[in-house]
Amino acid sequence: DAMVIQNPRYQVTQFGKPVTLSCSQTLNHNVMYWYQQKSSQAPKLLFHYYDKDFNNEADTPDNFQSRRPNTSFCFLDIRSPGLGDAAMYLCATVDGGRVAYNEQFFGPGTRLTVL
Amino acid sequence: SQQGEEDPQALSIQEGENATMNCSYKTSINNLQWYRQNSGRGLVHLILIRSNEREKHSGRLRVTLDTSKKSSSLLITASRAADTASYFCATDEGAQKLVFGQGTRLTINP
Repeated sequence: DAMVIQNPRYQVTQFGKPVTLSCSQTLNHNVMYWYQQKSSQAPKLLFHYYDKDFNNEADTPDNFQSRRPNTSFCFLDIRSPGLGDAAMYLCATVDGGRVAYNEQFFGPGTRLTVL
Repeated sequence: SQQGEEDPQALSIQEGENATMNCSYKTSINNLQWYRQNSGRGLVHLILIRSNEREKHSGRLRVTLDTSKKSSSLLITASRAADTASYFCATDEGAQKLVFGQGTRLTINP
């Protein structure tokens, strides 16, 4: 089945130790998103790729970076995680074109714990 | 930026009852979507309603949209324990992004 896969499902890191979260998709969608979701809150968009074009949200901290080496894969790098970065990180994809008219497909998320 | 606000924040009902959740938003939209999120999981798309539509059905789900009031409602009929989840509305912001509301936590009691 076509899907969005996130690895790992659970990630524990130490304060200040860089961490990378990965997302892959078999849907061949050209738009990929990274969201941060804290407990009982709405998913908050960090950035997204439209094909290879990177779009950063204005309030996304510089501590967060992303890479998209090809259509299928997208990575979220947190350079120096702080305690406030502990959250669920969600990857989503959508078929491009008229993105606003299409449903987003989400991965299961990676739960990040910062010690 | 936050576009949608949902009401109530939490809802607890008995199995078999209907559940209604409301979403309000601030600016004009092309469409509004509803998603479900089971605890500790990703979001799953439920239904999309376009700005020129007033009502849409999908199985036990009924969504209404009132663009004059900038509001939408999601009705789940004959609720089941498996419907226990958080429900989010999302509106399009620009051509490439969705903005999610704070969500309603729905608990179905057996």
